[in-house]
Order: sequence, then structure tokens, then C-alpha cells
Amino acid sequence: NAGVTQTPKFRILKIGQSMTLQCTQDMNHNYMYWYRQDPGMGLKLIYYSVGAGITDKGEVPNGYNVSRSTTEDFPLRLELAAPSQTSVYFCASSYLLAGRNNEQFFGPGTRLTVL
Amino acid sequence: AQKITQTQPGMFVQEKEAVTLDCTYDTSDPSYGLFWYKQPSSGEMIFLIYQGSYDQQNATEGRYSLNFQKARKSANLVISASQLGDSAMYFCAMREENYNQGGKLIFGQGTELSVKP
Repeated sequence: NAGVTQTPKFRILKIGQSMTLQCTQDMNHNYMYWYRQDPGMGLKLIYYSVGAGITDKGEVPNGYNVSRSTTEDFPLRLELAAPSQTSVYFCASSYLLAGRNNEQFFGPGTRLTVL
Repeated sequence: AQKITQTQPGMFVQEKEAVTLDCTYDTSDPSYGLFWYKQPSSGEMIFLIYQGSYDQQNATEGRYSLNFQKARKSANLVISASQLGDSAMYFCAMREENYNQGGKLIFGQGTELSVKP
């Protein structure tokens, strides 16, 4: 099992550019999440999905879009990148949303800089 | 409103000693889970321990234990016999465990632990 994989690991964008952060999990998890972590802060939820075709907004969704066409993939799209989107982005997944042994597994993160 | 508070931005501990990292939470949902994650300087998020709101006993995982005081809404992490490799950022997180919340985690701001040799 590769777990949760994210690409790219690093990226520098110019203001106004767009990009897609890729996230794939091979654990057959129903639930997937995108978080961002600003320097010195905890993680904040951007979007989440409870299954293929179902997505919902988290705490900080502005400037982002997601889709979930398969169980495995949950890409995050940044349109018109802004310096405020400079952050580390984590994708996570879990099998169920409650109970022991249903923790969220995190990918290694994507470090994004917008200049 | 859901909230996690970690009041210790940084902590120091001597190698081989025990250390307690504080976490308080706020929720109106009777069913929730509390988590601790470790984030070393390499950046990955490593799951350490879980405590369910209905669990009668404090959770333990090796050198990690969670001091769960439900009435005080606190979920402190205790690391026994600290090792140099324990130096990292530690995050407390909460999940309201009902379908409407989608299993999302709310994180505290973290505590940076430094273990001295």
C-alpha cells in the first residue's frame, strides 16, 4: 500500500496562474479531505468528500475547487492563484468517519508558493 | 462552536523525562473523537493516539497516553521517557462523529516540543 500520495511536492506559481494538486489513495477509503497549513499554524479544512460524486466545503474554500469522480482520486484546483494561497497542502483519507482505528491518514503534503 | 486550544506554543523536556502537552476542546456534540498528531521537521503528519468521547479508560499507545478529563473538556498528551526523536510539532485535533460533520478534523495551533540531551 502506498497510502495517500500527493503530487507535486513543491510548486511555485505566479499570481493569476492556475494549477491542480493531485491526491490519490489506495486504501479504498470513502472519506477524503484537503487541508492547508499556514506557517506556525494548525491545519484548516478546505474541502472534503464523503464518497465519489459528493463534495462539500470546509472552513476555507474560497479560491479552490474539487471533484471526486473516483474513490481513489480527489484533486484540488486552484484558480487565479493569489499570494494568500501560499501554504502547505495536505490531502487525507479515512475509511469511516468515527470510531477507533478510523484515523485520517495524511499524504506527505505539497508546498506551494505564489509570487 | 467546535474549537481546539493548545496554550503552549513551545515546550522543553530533558531526555528520558516525561512531558505533558495540554489540549482543551469545545463541542456540543456528545459523540466525538480526540486525536494527537506529530509533525516532525520533515513535515509529514503522523497519527499518535485516539480517544473516543464514550471511552471509559484513557487511551495508551506505547510511550503515549492521553489524559482525558471529559468534564473539564481536556485531552492532554503525556509522553513518557522522552527521546531526542520526539522533538517535533504536536497537534491536538477533534472530530465530531456524526455523518453531518463528514468526519472533518478541527486542529489546534500546535505545541513545539524540544527534547534536550
